[in-house]
Amino acid sequence: DQQVKQNSPSLSVQEGRISILNCDYTNSMFDYFLWYKKYPAEGPTFLISISSIKDKNEDGRFTVFLNKSAKHLSLHIVPSQPGDSAVYFCAASDRYGGATNKLIFGTGTLLAVQP
Amino acid sequence: DTGVSQDPRHKITKRGQNVTFRCDPISEHNRLYWYRQTLGQGPEFLTYFQNEAQLEKSRLLSDRFSAERPKGSFSTLEIQRTEQGDSAMYLCASSHGGRGTGELFFGEGSRLTVL
Repeated sequence: DQQVKQNSPSLSVQEGRISILNCDYTNSMFDYFLWYKKYPAEGPTFLISISSIKDKNEDGRFTVFLNKSAKHLSLHIVPSQPGDSAVYFCAASDRYGGATNKLIFGTGTLLAVQP
Repeated sequence: DTGVSQDPRHKITKRGQNVTFRCDPISEHNRLYWYRQTLGQGPEFLTYFQNEAQLEKSRLLSDRFSAERPKGSFSTLEIQRTEQGDSAMYLCASSHGGRGTGELFFGEGSRLTVL
């Protein structure tokens, strides 16, 4: 069963516009959510995270929103830049209740930012 | 460079051969994870170590797979009698349990091709 879902395999936006990447989860025990960025032939790189006690976290051009009742989170990138073109993975963990802190990943969304 | 390092980066082998991957985590991290990623999928959890103890194994980890972390520092992942379905990117990640943001730091991965 896919506990973390990213239903859009790809997204294309114009440089300077907003990119919105979406993620849904099914496990109500998840209490910590992260976004990772991955370039080809590299490992995933941490981008931003949010705890379940918050509904928004912002870091520069990146903002993550969490809607616990809908079990939905989104990543907003404003303004989008060509260097943002990569695969973005949503991940979740049962950080405060679980013992391992392992992350469960979605299938990823390929973002292409057109100059 | 004090990040997570993995070796080899690429391995091509024939079906039935054994392969071993090595991971050197960030030095002060006591948690170490192995993930597997196939095309079009997100990273899938395989196993987790806290120091030298292997505390969790996914059902994805068949009897042909074995992982060790003998002194709580580097780790090895061995696949015996490889099959074509084992072809994937094998990712290692580490974290410091109990501190920090809860993110995992990934290496660049070891890509396995089984012919």
